[in-house]
Amino acid sequence: GENVEQHPSTLSVQEGDSAVIKCTYSDSASNYFPWYKQELGKGPQLIIDIRSNVGEKKDQRIAVTLNKTAKHFSLHITETQPEDSAVYFCAASRGTGFQKLVFGTGTRLLVSP
Amino acid sequence: KAGVTQTPRYLIKTRGQQVTLSCSPISGHRSVSWYQQTPGQGLQFLFEYFSETQRNKGNFPGRFSGRQFSNSRSEMNVSTLELGDSALYLCASSLVGQGTGELFFGEGSRLTVL
Repeated sequence: GENVEQHPSTLSVQEGDSAVIKCTYSDSASNYFPWYKQELGKGPQLIIDIRSNVGEKKDQRIAVTLNKTAKHFSLHITETQPEDSAVYFCAASRGTGFQKLVFGTGTRLLVSP
Repeated sequence: KAGVTQTPRYLIKTRGQQVTLSCSPISGHRSVSWYQQTPGQGLQFLFEYFSETQRNKGNFPGRFSGRQFSNSRSEMNVSTLELGDSALYLCASSLVGQGTGELFFGEGSRLTVL
């Protein structure tokens, strides 16, 4: 079945630094790749997503890149702030079933002031 | 606009019992999905309902079931609880057919099985 690997499991950076989280998926039919942020005691929240017909997408300090040939995608956060500290999950799904997401194992990001 | 509401937020059960969790989606959202979150297995898809019909199902035993009502509210049930069922159960709603795949998650129901 579909599998999504995510690295690293933990990431500590200084405020203002950049953070990069990488994911690899196995199902070549996957064409939707969202990233979710989960804060303590809350449900995951979508922060950015990308579809397979796009190679890169940016939203202010956040960007996602997709390499379909290598089947991997990455989240880039620039100018990190303490409020970026959370657990980040990548996910993948086939186009017809956006709601059935296969999640990566998560990355705990800690941004120190 | 109210978010996804899940009840109860916390509950404790013993092995062999059953449990029912409830989810009220965002107004206008007709798709409701359920996920199980555990430290060991992460976030795993349970099932998805749309217009009272199960559209997708994950790889969970038949002890896990769900349903959706005509007002889009959903419930999931776990029968014959096992220790390994202890988890955070997350419900998510979404607009279907709007070109967006965004899932809006509730805060979850944390189930502890003793």
